[in-house]
Amino acid sequence: AQSVTQLDSQVPVFEEAPVELRCNYSSSVSVYLFWYVQYPNQGLQLLLKYLSGSTLVKGINGFEAEFNKSQTSFHLRKPSVHISDTAEYFCAVSPRRGGGGSNYKLTFGKGTLLTVNP
Amino acid sequence: EPEVTQTPSHQVTQMGQEVILRCVPISNHLYFYWYRQILGQKVEFLVSFYNNEISEKSEIFDDQFSVERPDGSNFTLKIRSTKLEDSAMYFCASSGGVLNEKLLFGSGTQLSVL
Repeated sequence: AQSVTQLDSQVPVFEEAPVELRCNYSSSVSVYLFWYVQYPNQGLQLLLKYLSGSTLVKGINGFEAEFNKSQTSFHLRKPSVHISDTAEYFCAVSPRRGGGGSNYKLTFGKGTLLTVNP
Repeated sequence: EPEVTQTPSHQVTQMGQEVILRCVPISNHLYFYWYRQILGQKVEFLVSFYNNEISEKSEIFDDQFSVERPDGSNFTLKIRSTKLEDSAMYFCASSGGVLNEKLLFGSGTQLSVL
């Protein structure tokens, strides 16, 4: 089984400031890692994912995340945030599967509400 | 980018009634999922569906729930006799048959059981 902990339920920042949203996970098997964003009244949009390879992953909207296997972390960062980045951010993991398909079973964290103030 | 489409966006029903939530996944995807998010709680996995059968389900997905892919495009979640605790946002998602493809979510159906 997997579990995901997002350490901060709310993160307020000022526009153009850097931000880091923290995510730690536990799993008895190897996992894929994801960050999703949910804007008000919308669905879950994939920001980025780590499947294999380079531990630094770049996503959409200037976000990036680094997989740290020893610390079982996958923190999300952005060097300079905009008002439009205000949203809820979800970290998720899925166990690695055999076979050739993309068969995911996501376990989500509780989410971090990022509020960007002018 | 192609989208997963869910209808309706809001559904209100009386306790004990049957509801069907509908989803149109990405056309060339092969894996289909339902997740739900009760207000204030985590997004939770309900079920995955592949090759016209359930491939995995959570303990939440009991006999009151069923899924179906009635034709080549739709994927439905049926709740036979709704309970108050079924009130949640239900998300449909799909992913492709090729390794490393994205898991894409729809905008959700907000189900309110009264």
